[in-house]
Amino acid sequence: AQKITQTQPGMFVQEKEAVTLDCTYDTSDPSYGLFWYKQPSSGEMIFLIYQGSYDQQNATEGRYSLNFQKARKSANLVISASQLGDSAMYFCAMRGLNTGFQKLVFGTGTRLLVSP
Amino acid sequence: GAVVSQHPSRVICKSGTSVKIECRSLDFQATTMFWYRQFPKKSLMLMATSNEGSKATYEQGVEKDKFLINHASLTLSTLTVTSAHPEDSSFYICSARDRGTRDQPQHFGDGTRLSIL
Repeated sequence: AQKITQTQPGMFVQEKEAVTLDCTYDTSDPSYGLFWYKQPSSGEMIFLIYQGSYDQQNATEGRYSLNFQKARKSANLVISASQLGDSAMYFCAMRGLNTGFQKLVFGTGTRLLVSP
Repeated sequence: GAVVSQHPSRVICKSGTSVKIECRSLDFQATTMFWYRQFPKKSLMLMATSNEGSKATYEQGVEKDKFLINHASLTLSTLTVTSAHPEDSSFYICSARDRGTRDQPQHFGDGTRLSIL
């Protein structure tokens, strides 16, 4: 079974500051993928960044970077230079990659509020 | 990039009505699509996995006769909420993955807000 844990129900950050959203996971799959999605108040799910368990380097996409610590089973999202438009819910998710078409398992989410 | 279109974006209807929600992958083929339900301030709950040309796989506790899923082509899956009641009011969102490499992210539609009066 797979499990994603996001322990921060809400986070506050000031504009232009960096913020880290925590995510820990548990899985028995030897090969897996980790994803972060952003959900604004309008509801759509926006894919932000992906990290494969086999990747040697931490993933980066613009202002988003993933701090992947495999031994600690953590995949924290770092948003640099926060903008007001970053205010949203953020979901960490994972999927096993070994066999079949496995389901995406989501965490409970973290609500980020960026203040001016 | 990959785009998933979901329609309608909002539905308000009377109790007892059946409501159909469409999910289309616009620029890729999706042999598998997923249907989620999301309650306010909660995470996404997977309802079912929709497989092209075969029966959907429902998650435990989801009534398959209540939530009918059809995946007739590689680009279209539909969710029909039959005889909807106020407790079915929720945000429903679909997703699809390109049938390419295994580490492709799932792309989501914009969701449907269903309100049953």
